[in-house]
Amino acid sequence: QQPVQSPQAVILREGEDAVINCSSSKALYSVHWYRQKHGEAPVFLMILLKGGEQKGHEKISASFNEKKQQSSLYLTASQLSYSGTYFCGTEETPIAQGGKLIFGQGTELSVKP
Amino acid sequence: DAGVIQSPRHEVTEMGQEVTLRCKPISGHDYLFWYRQTMMRGLELLIYFNNNVPIDDSGMPEDRFSAKMPNASFSTLKIQPSEPRDSAVYFCASSPDSREQYFGPGTRLTVT
Repeated sequence: QQPVQSPQAVILREGEDAVINCSSSKALYSVHWYRQKHGEAPVFLMILLKGGEQKGHEKISASFNEKKQQSSLYLTASQLSYSGTYFCGTEETPIAQGGKLIFGQGTELSVKP
Repeated sequence: DAGVIQSPRHEVTEMGQEVTLRCKPISGHDYLFWYRQTMMRGLELLIYFNNNVPIDDSGMPEDRFSAKMPNASFSTLKIQPSEPRDSAVYFCASSPDSREQYFGPGTRLTVT
């Protein structure tokens, strides 16, 4: 079941904050976040396992609400380098147990000077 | 470390031809994934291997697609015969533990 991301696109000025949401109708084992710049490969940002933990990567952090099967990615004080498409990926069953990672449709983030 | 290596980086072929995409994962990584990315369908998992064994191939579109991993350092994705709707960017990714996936630069396939 493909997760749903919102918004589909967002435009920010440098220094502004943004939140990207990812939701699933299925119970989740984990949520992964990746960023892909135009013409490049996706790059791993972080993984959140069920348990409601929050993780950080520079000024990018995320939370996972396993009861709601939702994750949010928080970008604070955005920089030009944050521009790109952000994908969440969800595991219903761990890959290590034969499951797979299913990616959402992506959220395009543009940071303007 | 060199990262995941894919070849060719670009491939243009005519409908009906056989296409072979190649991937060298990062040394020591036990998992290898093949993805396809298009504007319409996004990033789709085609197949993945664990220790050279195919685990889930439910994303392989049809019998025209096949993938092999003869050893820990090499995998191929073959399309025979190719069709225009196969045009996409194909990514190979590897992972040491199924969590963080390291993507290769991708192969842009155009089928005319």
